[in-house]
Amino acid sequence: DAGVTQSPTHLIKTRGQHVTLRCSPISGHKSVSWYQQVLGQGPQFIFQYYEKEERGRGNFPDRFSARQFPNYSSELNVNALLLGDSALYLCASNGGVNNSPLHFGNGTRLTVT
Amino acid sequence: AQSVTQLGSHVSVSEGALVLLRCNYSSSVPPYLFWYVQYPNQGLQLLLKYTSAATLVKGINGFEAEFKKSETSFHLTKPSAHMSDAAEYFCAVSPQQGGSEKLVFGKGTKLTVNP
Repeated sequence: DAGVTQSPTHLIKTRGQHVTLRCSPISGHKSVSWYQQVLGQGPQFIFQYYEKEERGRGNFPDRFSARQFPNYSSELNVNALLLGDSALYLCASNGGVNNSPLHFGNGTRLTVT
Repeated sequence: AQSVTQLGSHVSVSEGALVLLRCNYSSSVPPYLFWYVQYPNQGLQLLLKYTSAATLVKGINGFEAEFKKSETSFHLTKPSAHMSDAAEYFCAVSPQQGGSEKLVFGKGTKLTVNP
């Protein structure tokens, strides 16, 4: 079975641009979460979606948005990019049942110049 | 509010030696606790999780962790380190009521294994 897949794997953008990151969860998983991992730090929770509805949001500005599609895949959008947005963006999926473990993708490495 | 503190950003051991990675948590409600491992240029892989069923939790690759409520700790151990254990390890906490999606991670401990 395919794991969580993310695209693209690497991305270079300029300050002020916007970016869209994509995630396909494990087949059968209805919940998708996004995390930002800045170099040298642990991942930080950005969003969680379940059945296309936002279930949780971390402490990130409104420049960050996300959505989930009927096939449970998800997009993370970031507008007006700042240098500080450079990070590894991780997507994770699970069944949405309390206590079921998260399965992470390999991430998208975003570099903002 | 929840938080995790991992003591030691870098730990170095010899191959065959005991691995001990420390994690202390803070939580106002009963927590779920997790250890994840991250290899270079990869995502996170779950090693083990504590969900209140048993205080000593066994995970993959020979790792285990013990939940000690009195010490608010969840340290990760492995009796004998292998070269392939070299990676970064993250401890994470989530509230039992809130589900496991909203994890709060520590800053990570990078494990080096010397031959």
